[in-house]
Amino acid sequence: AQSVTQPDIHITVSEGASLELRCNYSYGATPYLFWYVQSPGQGLQLLLKYFSGDTLVQGIKGFEAEFKRSQSSFNLRKPSVHWSDAAEYFCAVGARGSTLGRLYFGRGTQLTVWP
Amino acid sequence: DAGVTQSPTHLIKTRGQQVTLRCSPISGHKSVSWYQQVLGQGPQFIFQYYEKEERGRGNFPDRFSARQFPNYSSELNVNALLLGDSALYLCASSLTRVETQYFGPGTRLLVL
Repeated sequence: AQSVTQPDIHITVSEGASLELRCNYSYGATPYLFWYVQSPGQGLQLLLKYFSGDTLVQGIKGFEAEFKRSQSSFNLRKPSVHWSDAAEYFCAVGARGSTLGRLYFGRGTQLTVWP
Repeated sequence: DAGVTQSPTHLIKTRGQQVTLRCSPISGHKSVSWYQQVLGQGPQFIFQYYEKEERGRGNFPDRFSARQFPNYSSELNVNALLLGDSALYLCASSLTRVETQYFGPGTRLLVL
């Protein structure tokens, strides 16, 4: 069965510091991979996605993520965090095959940014 | 272009009641998916509709049902509400079943 693990429930960084949010997935084939961000009381905003091709993908707001098949990981990175990046971040796997179209989400990582 | 819209934004119901949530997809998108997000958790897939047909159902009881209309908007219905149904209900639309899903702001349901 498909599953997504975000091992860090809460991360705190200082403004200007680098950021890496971890995501590991369990899936039998190459999945579609996504990172979404959710601000309090809001829906989910797409940061970036991986469907195929180049394993390093660029997203909005200066975020990037790297797909590593050997590690079943899709970690999100940002070289310099801004206070406005404080939010909850969700990694998601999109299934192929019989469950095509479903997204499986991790439980999220809450990011706090210190000034 | 307008994004995904959902109504109402908030809703309070009592146990045993029924609720209907509405979603309008991005113009041109033919697929709508519904997710439930319980506080402190990631969203969980409930349904996907594409071209007005149910194309996927998550692990939710039959109290949950949905439909998609000819204009591709969608409704999610939940009968016999339980306290555990309290959650943020998210709607997402995509061009097709496999394309990127774009989410609406959600409907926050509180069951008392």
